[in-house]
Amino acid sequence: SAVISQKPSRDICQRGTSLTIQCQVDSQVTMMFWYRQQPGQSLTLIATANQGSEATYESGFVIDKFPISRPNLTFSTLTVSNMSPEDSSIYLCSVEDATGGAFFGQGTRLTVV
Amino acid sequence: AQTVTQSQPEMSVQEAETVTLSCTYDTSESDYYLFWYKQPPSRQMILVIRQEAYKQQNATENRFSVNFQKAAKSFSLKISDSQLGDAAMYFCAYRSARRDDKIIFGKGTRLHILP
Repeated sequence: SAVISQKPSRDICQRGTSLTIQCQVDSQVTMMFWYRQQPGQSLTLIATANQGSEATYESGFVIDKFPISRPNLTFSTLTVSNMSPEDSSIYLCSVEDATGGAFFGQGTRLTVV
Repeated sequence: AQTVTQSQPEMSVQEAETVTLSCTYDTSESDYYLFWYKQPPSRQMILVIRQEAYKQQNATENRFSVNFQKAAKSFSLKISDSQLGDAAMYFCAYRSARRDDKIIFGKGTRLHILP
């Protein structure tokens, strides 16, 4: 299984600002995934990040709000832009193994005030 | 569209006892994977156990086992000899074996362990 390091682990941000979350994997992977978990809810996929191409966003998520970078096969960032209190969530990055099992970073708990 | 349903928002079990968490899913696919994930208060999602749909034998990982009923589209998780460290949210998840498909998560079951 892959080891995934995600940071920051938590942050409190002012509305209108942006936060960039970093995700580092200990092995090369083709796809990395970004999820949002709103308080008391399940996981919702934001986007899939492929190295060398634009990220693929799920319905309800747009690049202007959640820009993603994928500069190489072990690293990705997710930015939450122009934040509002509704963006307060846990954000998780993950990778998958050959049988589709997902492995996650520690998550970033974001609070927007 | 595929769906995953966990009908038990919360459950409690006495320490050292056995508990079963329920999960049903809906799909028209014949080849897929099913998973149970654990999310303790630390937030990190941990893969507990997985089942390939083409395998008839139920998966087992130490104290964790599943009861996979493909025809009924049921995938329950049994935790034996419950320990305080098992307290967490448990998410059932489905993934088609088709390339590039995404994982579908259930809403989760919060498990409390009573000392």
